[in-house]
Amino acid sequence: QSGLTQPPSASGTPGQTVTISCSGSSSNIGSNAVNWYQRLPGTAPKFLIYRNNQRPSGVPDRFSGSRSGTSASLAISGLQSEDEADYYCEAWDDSLRGPVFGGGTKLTVL
Amino acid sequence: QVQLRESGPGLVKPSQTLSLTCTVSGASITSGNYYWSWIRQPAGKGLEWIGRVYTDGSTYYSPSLKSRVTISIDTSNNQFSLRLNSLSAADTAVYYCARGLSPFDPWGQGSLVTVSS
Repeated sequence: QSGLTQPPSASGTPGQTVTISCSGSSSNIGSNAVNWYQRLPGTAPKFLIYRNNQRPSGVPDRFSGSRSGTSASLAISGLQSEDEADYYCEAWDDSLRGPVFGGGTKLTVL
Repeated sequence: QVQLRESGPGLVKPSQTLSLTCTVSGASITSGNYYWSWIRQPAGKGLEWIGRVYTDGSTYYSPSLKSRVTISIDTSNNQFSLRLNSLSAADTAVYYCARGLSPFDPWGQGSLVTVSS
């Protein structure tokens, strides 16, 4: 059972901007940075966003993250077919003394 | 670049112990002062962090699994391992190894473990 809440699915057409939300609590998102991961079909999860809005080297600037209060979001602009994947948020939880994940959002590019 | 690969049996019987190994290539497991973690995902459910080991062998486990988990590190073979005992069907999942501890990067491809008689 996941500590963070994400919508199970999202969709958009090529070129659109899609936003995926991630809701938590004061013990995780409310006090710690949020990270995001992308899992393309049949591949290992890939590190996408760290410290709420930072992109690792090689991640296109079409991907952006933000955090406000106990929620966070991932925005994908200029949607492309290769963006079709599962997306997961993650944050450190002070009560658990460990990381917690969202349940994942399956993004479909129509 | 650093790559991780999980290995171990795909089928384990209930009440038995699961043993998985993560082999790290492309860098020494002791370089960079990283934590090394295990994460799992049951079918249709979200990701769950299991625990982590540091290069000095120190460990920390998720409270929900703490009584059944052991994670160890073998620096001579550039590997770290997971043991989970008293298995039940609820432990059926894809098990991932990863470098780091929030965030995690990179991840292994994952190893499907089915608990069934």
